Amino acid sequence: QKEVEQNSGPLSVPEGAIASLNCTYSDRGSQSFFWYRQYSGKSPELIMFIYSNGDKEDGRFTAQLNKASQYVSLLIRDSQPSDSATYLCAVISSGSARQLTFGSGTQLTVLP
Amino acid sequence: DGGITQSPKYLFRKEGQNVTLSCEQNLNHDAMYWYRQDPGQGLRLIYYSQIVNDFQKGDIAEGYSVSREKKESFPLTVTSAQKNPTAFYLCASSSGTVHQPQHFGDGTRLSIL
Repeated sequence: QKEVEQNSGPLSVPEGAIASLNCTYSDRGSQSFFWYRQYSGKSPELIMFIYSNGDKEDGRFTAQLNKASQYVSLLIRDSQPSDSATYLCAVISSGSARQLTFGSGTQLTVLP
Repeated sequence: DGGITQSPKYLFRKEGQNVTLSCEQNLNHDAMYWYRQDPGQGLRLIYYSQIVNDFQKGDIAEGYSVSREKKESFPLTVTSAQKNPTAFYLCASSSGTVHQPQHFGDGTRLSIL
């Protein structure tokens, strides 16, 4: 069973702080890694994707991938109350015909 | 506007009834997917299709059926064999090539009457 693990939270950070969200995966052959944001009652929205070791930055968001340690993280700088949502980590595993395996999500609350 | 349209937004099912959830995309994507999400949980794959007239079971296919007669459409039927159908159902599509992300429709919330 290929697994994706996230801390369920809730994670609370003050406005303006850095929020750090972590995800580990079990399949060493995993190829692509995605972060989705999901507001309550809404569908997931793609935030970032990464498939090479290292950092990838997009505005206030940075995705970090370490394949040797099998973890991927998402940093949100200058957190805003509008960032309050559940963040889902998703992984395309090896031999999976492009199927995404999702973690259960981390609930983030940014306190004004 | 390109996107994925799911309908209806809310659906109620009576005991013993089959219901069909619609998913249409105009992104010219080859691959389409159906997921189920239960409260406080991640998404679980029900069925997926990488090409017209072909589809495969995901992790929780029992009690569900699909068809892929057109590239743009991938309807999901929740049959009476699915004893716990109450959930949020999400349709997604992607180009199907490696590294390409999936994009989601707005979802259908299904409840039992």
